[in-house]
Amino acid sequence: RKEVEQDPGPFNVPEGATVAFNCTYSNSASQSFFWYRQDCRKEPKLLMSVYSSGNEDGRFTAQLNRASQYISLLIRDSKLSDSATYLCVVNNDMRFGAGTRLTVKP
Amino acid sequence: NAGVTQTPKFQVLKTGQSMTLQCAQDMNHNSMYWYRQDPGMGLRLIYYSASEGTTDKGEVPNGYNVSRLNKREFSLRLESAAPSQTSVYFCASSELAGISYEQYFGPGTRLTVT
Repeated sequence: RKEVEQDPGPFNVPEGATVAFNCTYSNSASQSFFWYRQDCRKEPKLLMSVYSSGNEDGRFTAQLNRASQYISLLIRDSKLSDSATYLCVVNNDMRFGAGTRLTVKP
Repeated sequence: NAGVTQTPKFQVLKTGQSMTLQCAQDMNHNSMYWYRQDPGMGLRLIYYSASEGTTDKGEVPNGYNVSRLNKREFSLRLESAAPSQTSVYFCASSELAGISYEQYFGPGTRLTVT
């Protein structure tokens, strides 16, 4: 089993849809988690940290489930500009997931 | 403030050739990293430097060497390139290594080994 696993997608959704991605991790001692966004042929950039209590930033909500060892990213009211690959990372292990590709269509 | 810069942006090598990828950051970060990204594999850590003067192996260090030249610069060397090293290479930096510190990435170097 990979240490950090994501559904590669692609997720194709219409504008305005709500979409959710999960990311599972194998190291139960993992302490910190992030979601990064990567546009085609560009470098990854931080989207948001994932806090134990869950956190929200505008249309984006990140949650952590320690018991089942996964983190999630929820995007509400999808925009065309949300089309990208979303990478989860278990920071203390410096392990990135392979990424989930999202395409938002008009 | 350029952030993290990498040179070159593109490179084609023949099998057996050597080259050094350069990375520099101007954010006064202590920690720097080298990753490779292959289709469907995500980012895999090659080497990292938690602070000036230290380097450690990551997940896929074989075939690579690194040098932390000073606090700003961290280079990655391929001594004898192989086709399996065809990839996109990203350098990153963070204030400190480990938990809770965001990594900032350079624009990447696209390397093809024929």
